[in-house]
Order: sequence, then structure tokens, then C-alpha cells
Amino acid sequence: NAGVTQTPKFQVLKTGQSMTLQCAQDMNHNSMYWYRQDPGMGLRLIYYSASEGTTDKGEVPNGYNVSRLNKREFSLRLESAAPSQTSVYFCASSYKPGGTGEETQYFGPGTRLLVL
Amino acid sequence: GDSVTQMEGPVTLSEEAFLTINCTYTATGYPSLFWYVQYPGEGLQLLLKATKADDKGSNKGFEATYRKETTSFHLEKGSVQVSDSAVYFCALRDAGNMLTFGGGTRLMVKP
Repeated sequence: NAGVTQTPKFQVLKTGQSMTLQCAQDMNHNSMYWYRQDPGMGLRLIYYSASEGTTDKGEVPNGYNVSRLNKREFSLRLESAAPSQTSVYFCASSYKPGGTGEETQYFGPGTRLLVL
Repeated sequence: GDSVTQMEGPVTLSEEAFLTINCTYTATGYPSLFWYVQYPGEGLQLLLKATKADDKGSNKGFEATYRKETTSFHLEKGSVQVSDSAVYFCALRDAGNMLTFGGGTRLMVKP
């Protein structure tokens, strides 16, 4: 059981280049999330997908697009990278147990992105 | 909107010292509160949580009590170990199930 996996672990881009960050989970979770982590600012939500086939904007969606390819996979695309997008990107997934169970998010190991 | 404020780090302690990391929040309604821990090179892991006022979350010797009157959820541990060195994030979850994180506090424990 791998949990949440992310690829690549590290990437360097030049301004204007594009790339896709991949995320997959094997826990059969319905909801998936993309966050960025910047020093002193905690994690900020970029996009999320409450279920297969749906996506919604989070707090900082500008410059990003997402695709919920299937229940397992949720990718994040930078069409034209900018230095302001230098960050660590985390993918997460969650499920809500039946009844009054609490929802818990499980995080991947992160992708460190440097845009020059 | 909702917000979470944590004490700035780094916090540097000697092994077996007492730890407190302060966390206060601003939210409408009655959020659930969480502490996440991030070890070097890894993603965030849920450390503990509390879902209503006066609840105490605990795990691995860490504790935090949901204080509605002071809108606080301070993290404490009686005796820290070198292996506790990590970044700690306080977070709240609103009625829409979205998490709002504090800026994180780096803890360094020296032998």
C-alpha cells in the first residue's frame, strides 16, 4: 500500500516552459487536492477534486490547470511556468467515513519545483 | 475568511525539555482543529485532532486542547526527543471540508 505518490520529486524549469505534476493514490479515496507550500505561509490550496469528474478552484489557482484522470490520479499542469511558481507542491487525498466519521487528508511526499 | 496563526520558529530545545507551540485561529462556526507534522523530506502526517470545544487530541506524547474561549489549540509535549525534530503545522477545517494551515513552526531538538 503506497498511499499517495507524486512524480517527479524535483524539477527545474525555465520561465515559459510547461510541465505536469503527477499524483496517484491507491486508497480508493474520492477527494484529491493540490497544495503549494511556501516558506512561512503554510500550505495553500490550488485546486481540489471532490470526486471523479469534478474539479474546483482553491485559494491560489491562477497559472495552473488540473485533470482528474480517474479515481486514482489527479494531475497539476503549469502551462507557462513563472519564477513565482517556485515552490514545493503537495498532493493529498481524503475520504469521509460513513455516519459522523471525520475526514482525514493523507499527503504525498511532495515535488520541489524551481523555475528560473 | 478563516485563518490560523502559529508562533514563528525555529524553536530550539534540548532533549527532554518541555515543548509548547502556540496556535490561534479565526473562523466562523465551529471548525475542527488539527496538528500535522512534516519530517525532513517527507509529506505532512496527521499528528492529532480535536473536533469540538474542550476536546483533547493526543498522539505520540503530544497533546492539544481545543479552547473555544481563547480560540487556541496549543501543542504540548512533556519531554521532547531528537526524533521530534520536524516542522509542525496547525490547521482548521471549515464546514466545507477545506483545510486552512498556519505558517508552520520548525522544531529542532538537540541531544
